[in-house]
Amino acid sequence: DQQVKQNSPSLSVQEGRISILNCDYTNSMFDYFLWYKKYPAEGPTFLISISSIKDKNEDGRFTVFLNKSAKHLSLHIVPSQPGDSAVYFCAATPGGGNKLTFGTGTQLKVEL
Amino acid sequence: DTGVSQDPRHKITKRGQNVTFRCDPISEHNRLYWYRQTLGQGPEFLTYFQNEAQLEKSRLLSDRFSAERPKGSFSTLEIQRTEQGDSAMYLCASSSQSQGAIEQFFGPGTRLTVL
Repeated sequence: DQQVKQNSPSLSVQEGRISILNCDYTNSMFDYFLWYKKYPAEGPTFLISISSIKDKNEDGRFTVFLNKSAKHLSLHIVPSQPGDSAVYFCAATPGGGNKLTFGTGTQLKVEL
Repeated sequence: DTGVSQDPRHKITKRGQNVTFRCDPISEHNRLYWYRQTLGQGPEFLTYFQNEAQLEKSRLLSDRFSAERPKGSFSTLEIQRTEQGDSAMYLCASSSQSQGAIEQFFGPGTRLTVL
């Protein structure tokens, strides 16, 4: 039962353009959503989060949008840089220190 | 370095052997989590501690797995009688309840290979 889904295993964009990574969830109990970036041989690095009471959160080049009615969120990276090339994981939690439920990840490649 | 640390980074063992991994969380964090990640998948929750109390265990955590956090600081994850299916990256994360934050900060992981 995959409660958090990332249907695109890979995405390739040109440097300077926008990267859009998508995530869908099924569990209505999820109240917080997070994005992590992972390089090979390293642990996931926290990028940005959003509470279910918001529909947008922005931090520098990273913006997360949440559509609660569609149970869908997306991460926008503008402008994309070669150093952004990594696997991006969407995660969700009911909050309150609970476990994170992760998607299967999207491999982003930013080309020169 | 004040991040989450894990030891060892890599472990190769033979089927049937016992292995133990250690995690040192960020010092002021009272919550500690263990996850397992296999190829092509996202991290999957195993168990978590608040201080020294183990509050939740996944059904993925068979009776061959045991985790401890005896003094509410570092934690150990032991796998007894390892099987080839235990080969994975074992990730530790920590978070702070007092700050009300939901973000969990991950260590570099321990990659286990069972031959």
